[in-house]
Amino acid sequence: EAGVAQSPRYKIIEKRQSVAFWCNPISGHATLYWYQQILGQGPKLLIQFQNNGVVDDSQLPKDRFSAERLKGVDSTLKIQPAKLEDSAVYLCASRRGNSYNEQFFGPGTRLTVL
Amino acid sequence: KNEVEQSPQNLTAQEGEFITINCSYSVGISALHWLQQHPGGGIVSLFMLSSGKKKHGRLIATINIQEKHSSLHITASHPRDSAVYICAVRAQKLVFGQGTRLTINP
Repeated sequence: EAGVAQSPRYKIIEKRQSVAFWCNPISGHATLYWYQQILGQGPKLLIQFQNNGVVDDSQLPKDRFSAERLKGVDSTLKIQPAKLEDSAVYLCASRRGNSYNEQFFGPGTRLTVL
Repeated sequence: KNEVEQSPQNLTAQEGEFITINCSYSVGISALHWLQQHPGGGIVSLFMLSSGKKKHGRLIATINIQEKHSSLHITASHPRDSAVYICAVRAQKLVFGQGTRLTINP
């Protein structure tokens, strides 16, 4: 089966600009996650969707970050406006319905904010 | 103190050496994952385990639920094993360790 797809793979922007990332999860996976991974650290959960509903967005900086999964399939994560400290790899992951299933990660989008 | 601690943070070894990476956690979990991340950023799941031991090729993962500890072993290490290895535990959500950067020199 095809894996989790993400685009773009790399993005370089200047601070105060806006940027959007796209994720297409594995077909049939109801749960979708966005993670932020700063260099040298483990991934940090930004938001979790179950179908098109938000399960957990407690660590999402809502003043500048937004995410949606309108039809319960693919998802977009937006940063508006970007700050220098947003430079990181943004990982999307998906999983079948229940918590006993394995989580699969996409290749990530490496964002550099100048 | 982080809920998931890995050691060492960095490890450099020669090709052929036996490698051990450790993970300790402080929360109740339903499963533990070992993940591999290459420089491009993508993450590959190596193992998901909730008890005992699993083996895949040259990789072995063990977990001791009572001691809240897991180890990832690599036998006959090779330069292509160079990557960041991340331990993650599933509690209410997936909680990640900070990763162990492994470099295998030829």
